[in-house]
Amino acid sequence: DTAVSQTPKYLVTQMGNDKSIKCEQNLGHDTMYWYKQDSKKFLKIMFSYNNKELIINETVPNRFSPKSPDKAHLNLHINSLELGDSAVYFCASSQGIIAGGSRSYNEQFFGPGTRLTVL
Amino acid sequence: KNQVEQSPQSLIILEGKNCTLQCNYTVSPFSNLRWYKQDTGRGPVSLTIMTFSENTKSNGRYTATLDADTKQSSLHITASQLSDSASYICVVSARTGGFKTIFGAGTRLFVKA
Repeated sequence: DTAVSQTPKYLVTQMGNDKSIKCEQNLGHDTMYWYKQDSKKFLKIMFSYNNKELIINETVPNRFSPKSPDKAHLNLHINSLELGDSAVYFCASSQGIIAGGSRSYNEQFFGPGTRLTVL
Repeated sequence: KNQVEQSPQSLIILEGKNCTLQCNYTVSPFSNLRWYKQDTGRGPVSLTIMTFSENTKSNGRYTATLDADTKQSSLHITASQLSDSASYICVVSARTGGFKTIFGAGTRLFVKA
């Protein structure tokens, strides 16, 4: 009964290829995220979706395109892979709360990560 | 510039000892601060979350403190166990028109028998 799952766990591919990473959460959360963790272990948010709607899009090359078919899924598609895309990609989810007219976010639950290696 | 800095970068302690990890931030306007534990090869797991009005929160042997005036937080681990060996990441969120979350680089803790 994994809460946040990602596939594949490992992905090795050649430069220039297009690949997708899938993420699913069974927590009933309405907000999902994609993070990139580089070799220095910094986690950086890439995208956030709330109820299938994009709410955060950090400075990420447009080769990266998130797709949310429903609240429980947020897939990440990457076109024309580059060496610098090698990293661990984490999916996460949380339940967004609207309180007093402003939005605050609860604890995020992370998936196990997908290690992408571009050769 | 919104930043989160953690110290030390790494720490080695003996099993059973206590330790304290530090987090300084400049994220503004402040919304909440979270501490995560990340085991090698796994995703981060939340330990504590604190908002502006909270200055301490415990989760078992983990106790986090927050001083919103000095923009500092600490994570104290009591009676360390071998399973505490992990990276501990401080995460600060800003309450902007949308949402901004800044991750620290983490402190790598090694607990030795």
